Amino acid sequence: AQKITQTQPGMFVQEKEAVTLDCTYDTSDPSYGLFWYKQPSSGEMIFLIYQGSYDQQNATEGRYSLNFQKARKSANLVISASQLGDSAMYFCAMRELMIKAAGNKLTFGGGTRVLVKP
Amino acid sequence: DAGVIQSPRHEVTEMGQEVTLRCKPISGHDYLFWYRQTMMRGLELLIYFNNNVPIDDSGMPEDRFSAKMPNASFSTLKIQPSEPRDSAVYFCASSLYTSGAGDTQYFGPGTRLTVL
Repeated sequence: AQKITQTQPGMFVQEKEAVTLDCTYDTSDPSYGLFWYKQPSSGEMIFLIYQGSYDQQNATEGRYSLNFQKARKSANLVISASQLGDSAMYFCAMRELMIKAAGNKLTFGGGTRVLVKP
Repeated sequence: DAGVIQSPRHEVTEMGQEVTLRCKPISGHDYLFWYRQTMMRGLELLIYFNNNVPIDDSGMPEDRFSAKMPNASFSTLKIQPSEPRDSAVYFCASSLYTSGAGDTQYFGPGTRLTVL
């Protein structure tokens, strides 16, 4: 079974509007972390935001926020006031802390491509 | 602070040649990861090190691939002999261990490898 699922292969968003990128995960580990990365066309992987499984509040970093619904095992990324520079691939990833076999690995989803229209 | 540094940024080689990719992690980080990204398979973890010691190399595709970390500030990923199916972007990432699940991995710019 996929550990990280991103169901939206691609989406368009109008400049200045908000966009939500879906991410669902599968783990039996009670302690885990969820990460979002951005990969623009230039290719680098840029860390955006982190949510811990025990965090009571949703993480926020500037225009990025994470809609964390633990019972649903979802960690959706919300980008507010989209800018042209937000056009990129976005990856959701998970790190499991207690499962020994997981080690210190990050498991990535397949990504969602976002294109911001002017 | 300098981020993760990788070299070369682009490599074009012919099938059968040896390829060496290099990585300098962020100073003070104790974990180093090598990933490969392709359209077909997405991002795959190849191997990772903790304090220069390989911890998990289960993602290394085959014996043609090898990785070393002789010291805390340098790692190499070698492919010998290279094959066209090795064409991909290879990323190096590093992180600093904390006691929680929030160890953030910071990625280098990647090396785009093309094997003809």
